[in-house]
Amino acid sequence: ETGVTQSPTHLIKTRGQQVTLRCSSQSGHNTVSWYQQALGQGPQFIFQYYREEENGRGNFPPRFSGLQFPNYSSELNVNALELDDSALYLCASSLDDQETQYFGPGTRLLVL
Amino acid sequence: GQQVMQIPQYQHVQEGEDFTTYCNSSTTLSNIQWYKQRPGGHPVFLIQLVKSGEVKKQKRLTFQFGEAKKNSSLHITATQTTDVGTYFCAGLPYSGGGADGLTFGKGTHLIIQP
Repeated sequence: ETGVTQSPTHLIKTRGQQVTLRCSSQSGHNTVSWYQQALGQGPQFIFQYYREEENGRGNFPPRFSGLQFPNYSSELNVNALELDDSALYLCASSLDDQETQYFGPGTRLLVL
Repeated sequence: GQQVMQIPQYQHVQEGEDFTTYCNSSTTLSNIQWYKQRPGGHPVFLIQLVKSGEVKKQKRLTFQFGEAKKNSSLHITATQTTDVGTYFCAGLPYSGGGADGLTFGKGTHLIIQP
């Protein structure tokens, strides 16, 4: 196992609601990246946090936001949930932004 | 934006046959990483290639990075049922560093018939 943990494992929400997903990075890793993986697709980059600052962002709207805490754990917040937000949300931690990324088990979000 | 194409999308093989998946990036990559994802699971890191023309082996798996650092391949010799899963390549662009995140291919689903 990678040492990256995520909570919750599964979540069901309805359209318009808000959700917060959590990630604890591997010990010693200061970078956390978040990805969305729709069914049958490869993961898509949402954003990355490096030492508590957003370090880069993929093609996702502003209703996807995040935080990184001093212990390098991280949160992904999604507002105004849409049906298409149903996916596996993965966080990955790395030693810094250029290094190998190790993925957590993911949170499966279903929006009804 | 950067695109990573991966073929084939599906590959059916008989157990014991070889398997290869190919990855091609629209831009030069800083490095390329390979992951394996079992059904219902999450991507598990296999290897990272950094140098032009690099070849790395892990038991029956051979990974190559092209001379131009735009393409890569994964070859599995004598597949076993434990090799079942989806294999993803993921490229890190040269400019912008990790802040651009990994760009994943769509994956190759390996199905093995005993």
